[in-house]
Amino acid sequence: RKEVEQDPGPFNVPEGATVAFNCTYSNSASQSFFWYRQDCRKEPKLLMSVYSSGNEDGRFTAQLNRASQYISLLIRDSKLSDSATYLCVVNIGSSGGSNYKLTFGKGTLLTVNP
Amino acid sequence: NAGVMQNPRHLVRRRGQEARLRCSPMKGHSHVYWYRQLPEEGLKFMVYLQKENIIDESGMPKERFSAEFPKEGPSILRIQQVVRGDSAAYFCASSSRTSSSTTDTQYFGPGTRLTVL
Repeated sequence: RKEVEQDPGPFNVPEGATVAFNCTYSNSASQSFFWYRQDCRKEPKLLMSVYSSGNEDGRFTAQLNRASQYISLLIRDSKLSDSATYLCVVNIGSSGGSNYKLTFGKGTLLTVNP
Repeated sequence: NAGVMQNPRHLVRRRGQEARLRCSPMKGHSHVYWYRQLPEEGLKFMVYLQKENIIDESGMPKERFSAEFPKEGPSILRIQQVVRGDSAAYFCASSSRTSSSTTDTQYFGPGTRLTVL
């Protein structure tokens, strides 16, 4: 089983649509969770961290379910500029303090159409 | 305030040549991480360095790959005797990481796209 698995996509949605991405992780000791976005041939950029209580940033809502080892990202009222690959990222961490090693999913490509 | 800088942005090498990739962290950051993204794959951790120290190189291939972060100058990822399978995007990230018990945000550079002919 892969450490971080995401919806394979691609997702094609019209402007204004609501779209949800799902992600599962295999290591129950994982400590930190993030969503990054990556535009074509560009670097990953942090979109938002994901907290156990769930968190929202404008049109973006992230949820974490530790019991199910599941992370989600919801985008409301999607814009053309939301077109990108969305990366689910987990920090496994360890008792030795190696909580810097980010583990990336393969990403889900979103295209928002006019 | 410049972000993470990487150069070159594109690098073409023939099989058997050496590739040197450079990374200058953000101002004030002393922790550098290298990741590799193979075509159609997610980013994979390679190595974590602090100034003059390799902290974790568990993701580095055992042969041909090396990394350094000298006291002065950028971090260097060096690939000797490149093969076609080394063709990938190599991203560097940096963080300020003031505490070993917390996860600092890693900021990524634009990457170096290595093509091996």
